[in-house]
Amino acid sequence: QKEVEQDPGPLSVPEGAIVSLNCTYSNSAFQYFMWYRQYSRKGPELLMYTYSSGNKEDGRFTAQVDKSSKYISLFIRDSQPSDSATYLCAMSAEAADLDSSYKLIFGSGTRLLVRP
Amino acid sequence: EAQVTQNPRYLITVTGKKLTVTCSQNMNHEYMSWYRQDPGLGLRQIYYSMNVEVTDKGDVPEGYKVSRKEKRNFPLILESPSPNQTSLYFCASSLSGNGYTFGSGTRLTVV
Repeated sequence: QKEVEQDPGPLSVPEGAIVSLNCTYSNSAFQYFMWYRQYSRKGPELLMYTYSSGNKEDGRFTAQVDKSSKYISLFIRDSQPSDSATYLCAMSAEAADLDSSYKLIFGSGTRLLVRP
Repeated sequence: EAQVTQNPRYLITVTGKKLTVTCSQNMNHEYMSWYRQDPGLGLRQIYYSMNVEVTDKGDVPEGYKVSRKEKRNFPLILESPSPNQTSLYFCASSLSGNGYTFGSGTRLTVV
């Protein structure tokens, strides 16, 4: 079983729809949760960054973390064709030693298509 | 412009011929990392570096080497490439070790 599971899609929605993207994970030590967006032929770009549980909102994007269920979500309101991309969740555990780097584990990505 | 620059963007090589993919960042970031991306497997970490002269293995380090002699540069070396190293490679850097800025990728084909 992978540490981080993500439905590969594709997920196809009409313009203006609310999109829900999700990841589940198995490692209860994960404390840092991120969402990246990757356009075709480009590197991933960081969209949202959350520490521990709770919600975080940034414009049309809302990230939710439910550590009790080991489940994270990204909501996109009023989706646009320009949101069509692959969305990757990523997470890491808190390093006990500040000199240590955090090992970042990625989901395999969900492809989103927003139809005009 | 703050960015991670990796070169080349595309590379076709033959089995066993040593190659280096360069990576440079201009953000004075402490952390740098190399990933490979394969269909169905997502992004997997190859090596990462917490600072100059400090590196550690990621999930798939076999067949790769790295060095961090300067803060801005983090080259990836394939001493004897094999076809199973055909992949899309990304270099990334971070101030804190979590929110990474990625380069545009290097598509490597080993024949």
